[in-house]
Amino acid sequence: AQSVAQPEDQVNVAEGNPLTVKCTYSVSGNPYLFWYVQYPNRGLQFLLKYITGDNLVKGSYGFEAEFNKSQTSFHLKKPSALVSDSALYFCAVRDMSDNTDKLIFGTGTRLQVFP
Amino acid sequence: DVKVTQSSRYLVKRTGEKVFLECVQDMDHENMFWYRQDPGLGLRLIYFSYDVKMKEKGDIPEGYSVSREKKERFSLILESASTNQTSMYLCASSEQGRGNIQYFGAGTRLSVL
Repeated sequence: AQSVAQPEDQVNVAEGNPLTVKCTYSVSGNPYLFWYVQYPNRGLQFLLKYITGDNLVKGSYGFEAEFNKSQTSFHLKKPSALVSDSALYFCAVRDMSDNTDKLIFGTGTRLQVFP
Repeated sequence: DVKVTQSSRYLVKRTGEKVFLECVQDMDHENMFWYRQDPGLGLRLIYFSYDVKMKEKGDIPEGYSVSREKKERFSLILESASTNQTSMYLCASSEQGRGNIQYFGAGTRLSVL
């Protein structure tokens, strides 16, 4: 079965420190991977995606993600965290079981950046 | 910018009521989706539509139905609301094609009493 896992419910980091939010996936074939962010009382906003090509993908607000095929991971990273990065982050993978454009979302990781 | 508008931010309904959640997108997207979001469960797909009058069940369609009479509008219907349908409901739209981004509305927080 296809799935995506975010093993940490919450990640705490001090402002200015690097941050990593973890995501692993299980799909058949080559994965299409996404990261979204949700600020309080808002919908999800797209951050970045990996389809093919360079394993390091750069996205909005200084975030980047590294695709690692051997470890089936797509961790979200930022070199220097800001308090304003505090939000709920979702990893998603395209559902490859059919020809639709559905996504499978992880359960989310709450990022808390402390001043 | 893509805009996905959900008609209500907060809604309070009583058990047994018929509830309509409306979603409108302004980018001529073929695909539209309804999700529910619950703590610890992430986003779960209820229904999606890839064209007018076309719909497919997602992972948790029980107790819900949908309507897509016009390309820009996708409605989620709770035929007889129950307390276990208290949740945050998110609508999204995207162009057809692999790898396309889904754009989300702000969400409707529904409470069923």
